Amino acid sequence: QKEVEQNSGPLSVPEGAIASLNCTYSDRVSQSFFWYRQYSGKSPELIMSIYSNGDKEDGRFTAQLNKASQYVSLLIRDSQPSDSATYLCAVNIETGNQFYFGTGTSLTVIP
Amino acid sequence: EPEVTQTPSHQVTQMGQEVILRCVPISNHLYFYWYRQILGQKVEFLVSFYNNEISEKSEIFDDQFSVERPDGSNFTLKIRSTKLEDSAMYFCASSGRGGAVNSPLHFGNGTRLTVT
Repeated sequence: QKEVEQNSGPLSVPEGAIASLNCTYSDRVSQSFFWYRQYSGKSPELIMSIYSNGDKEDGRFTAQLNKASQYVSLLIRDSQPSDSATYLCAVNIETGNQFYFGTGTSLTVIP
Repeated sequence: EPEVTQTPSHQVTQMGQEVILRCVPISNHLYFYWYRQILGQKVEFLVSFYNNEISEKSEIFDDQFSVERPDGSNFTLKIRSTKLEDSAMYFCASSGRGGAVNSPLHFGNGTRLTVT
């Protein structure tokens, strides 16, 4: 059973603060990790991909991966009200190119 | 930027009717997927498709569901006899540019299926 766990929230942060979203996964053969943002009624939109241990930064977003701890996180700096959405963590198993999603964390950025 | 396109955006059908949801994956992707999301709930995997056959399916994907790639561009999901609980948003996704694994999933905008 391949599990991807996220705190469902809701997580509320004030505008300008750092939002920290966490994800753990159970399968040690997981190869690639992705964060998606989903606005209500819309499809998931890719924000970040991370493949190796450490940090990866893209604008206000930083993904962090620790394969030994089976943990991946997403930091959003200078949070904006437009960042209010559900954030989905996904892990990829190379065999069969399968993707497994967490339940998502609902983020609200308060102006 | 290439997109996954889905039609229709909204489908209303009566219980027991057959529906076909259509998708055009990104042209150089080789892996295709259907997910569904019941309102307010998580994104659930239904089926994956590669090399003209199903590569994996979930327990949701029972005998009422089928997928097909009828030509070089379309990828369809058929529900033979819809039930009320099939009402959900259905997302098509594709991945694997040139057959590469580990590349991200790209989602279409979804088809909202309402079964009355």
